[in-house]
Amino acid sequence: KQEVTQIPAALSVPEGENLVLNCSFTDSAIYNLQWFRQDPGKGLTSLLLIQSSQREQTSGRLNASLDKSSGRSTLYIAASQPGDSATYLCAVKVNQAGTALIFGKGTTLSVSS
Amino acid sequence: DAGVTQSPTHLIKTRGQQVTLRCSPKSGHDTVSWYQQALGQGPQFIFQYYEEEERQRGNFPDRFSGHQFPNYSSELNVNALLLGDSALYLCASSLGGDMVFGPGTRLTVL
Repeated sequence: KQEVTQIPAALSVPEGENLVLNCSFTDSAIYNLQWFRQDPGKGLTSLLLIQSSQREQTSGRLNASLDKSSGRSTLYIAASQPGDSATYLCAVKVNQAGTALIFGKGTTLSVSS
Repeated sequence: DAGVTQSPTHLIKTRGQQVTLRCSPKSGHDTVSWYQQALGQGPQFIFQYYEEEERQRGNFPDRFSGHQFPNYSSELNVNALLLGDSALYLCASSLGGDMVFGPGTRLTVL
């Protein structure tokens, strides 16, 4: 059974710091991995999608890496800003046929000015 | 394009009641999935609808049922509500690899 774990559960940093969020999954047979952002009480916004054949994806200050063999992904946020404060969720898709995603519990990030 | 819309935004019910949540997919999307997100947890997959049929289902009891209409919109029905059903219910529509989540419906069961 695929399980997704995110560490740390919460993180507080001062503005301007670079930071790394971690995601691990128990079964390396994934189709893709996706990072989402969720503001309190709101829906999910997709940040980055990495296909199983890819090693990383970049969007602006965000960079996500994937090491399928070790069951790990990281989300790197450069030069953090107070507007980055949110919960970041990692999710894996285990096959192409269905679109069911398996989520971690998320990392809640707080960036202080 | 309004993206994925869900109604209502918030809902309060009492134990034993029934509830219906609604979802309108992003224009052009033909598949709708529902997720339950309890406080402090990641979303859990409930089921997915495609061509008006349930295509895949997660580990949820039969009290949770759904429907997809010819215009691809969808409903989630929950019968015999329990306190533990209190959660944010998220709808996601997709077409191929493009998946978009709605803002969710916050259900509180008293």
